[in-house]
Amino acid sequence: DAGVTQSPTHLIKTRGQQVTLRCSPKSGHDTVSWYQQALGQGPQFIFQYYEEEERQRGNFPDRFSGHQFPNYSSELNVNALLLGDSALYLCASSRPGQGTYEQYFGPGTRLTVT
Amino acid sequence: AQSVTQLDSHVSVSEGTPVLLRCNYSSSYSPSLFWYVQHPNKGLQLLLKYTSAATLVKGINGFEAEFKKSETSFHLTKPSAHMSDAAEYFCVVRNNFGNEKLTFGTGTRLTIIP
Repeated sequence: DAGVTQSPTHLIKTRGQQVTLRCSPKSGHDTVSWYQQALGQGPQFIFQYYEEEERQRGNFPDRFSGHQFPNYSSELNVNALLLGDSALYLCASSRPGQGTYEQYFGPGTRLTVT
Repeated sequence: AQSVTQLDSHVSVSEGTPVLLRCNYSSSYSPSLFWYVQHPNKGLQLLLKYTSAATLVKGINGFEAEFKKSETSFHLTKPSAHMSDAAEYFCVVRNNFGNEKLTFGTGTRLTIIP
């Protein structure tokens, strides 16, 4: 049973560029959440996708957008990159309706903005 | 609103001695509480969870935590530390009100002294 997978593992971008990160949820999961983890900090909630729509959003600017595909995989897009966007981006999947809403995390994508 | 405070940013214990990682939470509704562990260059792994059942929760690798509503605490303990326990630990809260957003603490780095 494959867990949550993310690609790429590492990414280096320049300020002002755009980036797309990808996530495949755990088998049987239909909800994907994205988190940003800055160095030395706990993960911060960016947004959550369910049924191909953004269901919740944290305190992140509109430069952060996402998408969910019919197969439940998801993308995180960040436009006009800033140095402060350098972080580990984590994807988590879950399956609502099972009571505990346990979220399973992928290994993350390390984004460096120079 | 919900929040988590991890009272120690860094804890050091000798191998074979008890571990105590402290966490206080704030939640407007009846919360679910979790402890996640993050090893270097690895994703987040769920250690244990409290979801309004038994207040003493047992997790993987010998860890356990006790939910104390009167003290709004959810401290993580282990009777005997092992070298492999060295990692970053996050206390996490989620409101049980149709909201799956996870709110993380800032983390506690556990160091094990040989």
